[in-house]
Amino acid sequence: QQQVKQSPQSLIVQKGGISIINCAYENTAFDYFPWYQQFPGKGPALLIAIRPDVSEKKEGRFTISFNKSAKQFSLHIMDSQPGDSATYFCAARGKTSGSRLTFGEGTQLTVNP
Amino acid sequence: KAGVTQTPRYLIKTRGQQVTLSCSPISGHRSVSWYQQTPGQGLQFLFEYFSETQRNKGNFPGRFSGRQFSNSRSEMNVSTLELGDSALYLCASSWGQGDTEAFFGQGTRLTVV
Repeated sequence: QQQVKQSPQSLIVQKGGISIINCAYENTAFDYFPWYQQFPGKGPALLIAIRPDVSEKKEGRFTISFNKSAKQFSLHIMDSQPGDSATYFCAARGKTSGSRLTFGEGTQLTVNP
Repeated sequence: KAGVTQTPRYLIKTRGQQVTLSCSPISGHRSVSWYQQTPGQGLQFLFEYFSETQRNKGNFPGRFSGRQFSNSRSEMNVSTLELGDSALYLCASSWGQGDTEAFFGQGTRLTVV
């Protein structure tokens, strides 16, 4: 059973535009929601993360919006750049799951110059 | 500070063989988790080790096993390889069990022929 659903599967954005990736989860025991960025041939790199006690977190051009009642969270990339072209994964971790992360399916982002 | 190191980077094995992959976590990190990444199934959790003990296990057959040494280095072993085991195997290290930030290595690309 897929516990974190991510959409869209792929996204094409023009340089300077806003990229939005959405995730929804089922398990209410999740208490930590990170986003990872992965370039070809590399491992995922932690981008930004949020806990359910806040509704928004911003770091530079990256913002996570979190809706606890809807069990949804999203990543917004402002002023998208060609260098942002990568695969993005949302993830979730449960309170009693140790370091175990449950990942979404991934979104392949292409930012055209 | 050196990152997570995984060796080897690439492996080609024949069906029925076994393979051992190695992961050296970031210095001072004591938790190591393993993930399998495939185009069809995405990133899936294999197991987590902390203080030389397996703390969590994903839904993989017993052919997949691992261990952690006293210096926190970890190995995973896959026996009786199947074609479907072809994947990128990623190791992530954290300071402690359940620590929020997990840092991934570049992975080992295993191809089973």
